[in-house]
Amino acid sequence: AQSVAQPEDQVNVAEGNPLTVKCTYSVSGNPYLFWYVQYPNRGLQFLLKYITGDNLVKGSYGFEAEFNKSQTSFHLKKPSALVSDSALYFCAVRDMSGGYQKVTFGTGTKLQVIP
Amino acid sequence: NAGVTQTPKFRVLKTGQSMTLLCAQDMNHEYMYWYRQDPGMGLRLIHYSVGEGTTAKGEVPDGYNVSRLKKQNFLLGLESAAPSQTSVYFCASSYLAGGPSTDTQYFGPGTRLTVL
Repeated sequence: AQSVAQPEDQVNVAEGNPLTVKCTYSVSGNPYLFWYVQYPNRGLQFLLKYITGDNLVKGSYGFEAEFNKSQTSFHLKKPSALVSDSALYFCAVRDMSGGYQKVTFGTGTKLQVIP
Repeated sequence: NAGVTQTPKFRVLKTGQSMTLLCAQDMNHEYMYWYRQDPGMGLRLIHYSVGEGTTAKGEVPDGYNVSRLKKQNFLLGLESAAPSQTSVYFCASSYLAGGPSTDTQYFGPGTRLTVL
């Protein structure tokens, strides 16, 4: 069975500082990994994904994520946080082994960027 | 392109009433999904469909039924609503798994359902 964990319910960061939102995963085969963002009263929006290749993935709005196979992590990062980055962030994983597998979402991390 | 749309946006039901949530997508996606979002629990998959005329159960299917009679539409039904079904419901769609945009899901704006 596949699973994803977001250990922090909320992350607070000052505007202009770097931010990290943590995600770890568990799959039996190779993972597809995703980050989505949800603004208040909106649906989720795709930010970035890791399928294969370079461990550092760049996505929308200046976000990037680093895939670390040995630590089974896929942390979301941004060098300089903006107040407009305040939102709910979801990590998701899909196991690529054994035919079609659904995507499993984490419980979400609320990012609060303080002016 | 409208993307993924959901109707209605809000609904209040009494226990035992029934209703249908409609999801429509204009991106010609094969896969469609229904999720519910509850505080502290993230998104949980209710049902999904891998193509027109096919549906499958997700993590929390009890109390819900779905139909995919047309490729662009995915309906979620509650036959006898219960307070435990108070939630925000999201529909999503994606390309066929294994393609170049594998599993990037496009979400609708959500339906906020309250069951009294």
